[in-house]
Amino acid sequence: QKEVEQNSGPLSVPEGAIASLNCTYSDRGSQSFFWYRQYSGKSPELIMFIYSNGDKEDGRFTAQLNKASQYVSLLIRDSQPSDSATYLCAVGARYALNFGKGTSLLVTP
Amino acid sequence: SAVISQKPSRDICQRGTSLTIQCQVDSQVTMMFWYRQQPGQSLTLIATANQGSEATYESGFVIDKFPISRPNLTFSTLTVSNMSPEDSSIYLCSVEARLYLADYNEQFFGPGTRLTVL
Repeated sequence: QKEVEQNSGPLSVPEGAIASLNCTYSDRGSQSFFWYRQYSGKSPELIMFIYSNGDKEDGRFTAQLNKASQYVSLLIRDSQPSDSATYLCAVGARYALNFGKGTSLLVTP
Repeated sequence: SAVISQKPSRDICQRGTSLTIQCQVDSQVTMMFWYRQQPGQSLTLIATANQGSEATYESGFVIDKFPISRPNLTFSTLTVSNMSPEDSSIYLCSVEARLYLADYNEQFFGPGTRLTVL
């Protein structure tokens, strides 16, 4: 069973702070990693992807990948109340994606 | 991006009945996926549907319970058969597509079908 693990949270951060979300995966052969954001009652939407070890930045978001340790993280700088959502870590499988259970993030004004 | 629509958006069904969910994509795609998201849980892949071949089911899901059709490159249906309350969930259709000039495939999700079984 190929697992993707996330802390369910909720993770609460004040507005303007950095939110740090973590994810570990069991399949050492995984090559692609994604972070999806899901608002309550809505479908997941892709916010970041990363393939290579290291950091990848896109606006306020930074994805970090460490294949040796089998973990992926997502940093959200200058967190806004609109960032409050569930963040799903997904790892590329043969055809589809394996999803973690998601971390609930709450950004308080 | 791929625009995906699903019908119905929600339904309340009686135990023992069946419901067919339709998924329509605005462009031709090779692979379509059906996921389930139970309350408070993450997404679980039910099956992968390729046009012109039998769907491939994940462990724990069988064709008799979740028959899938894929008649063309823009359309698929998922039927939830002989429903029980445990089938209450959100069912999501998804496609893999590559945006223009992108160097990766992105998976897009439909709006989902919220199913409640009484």
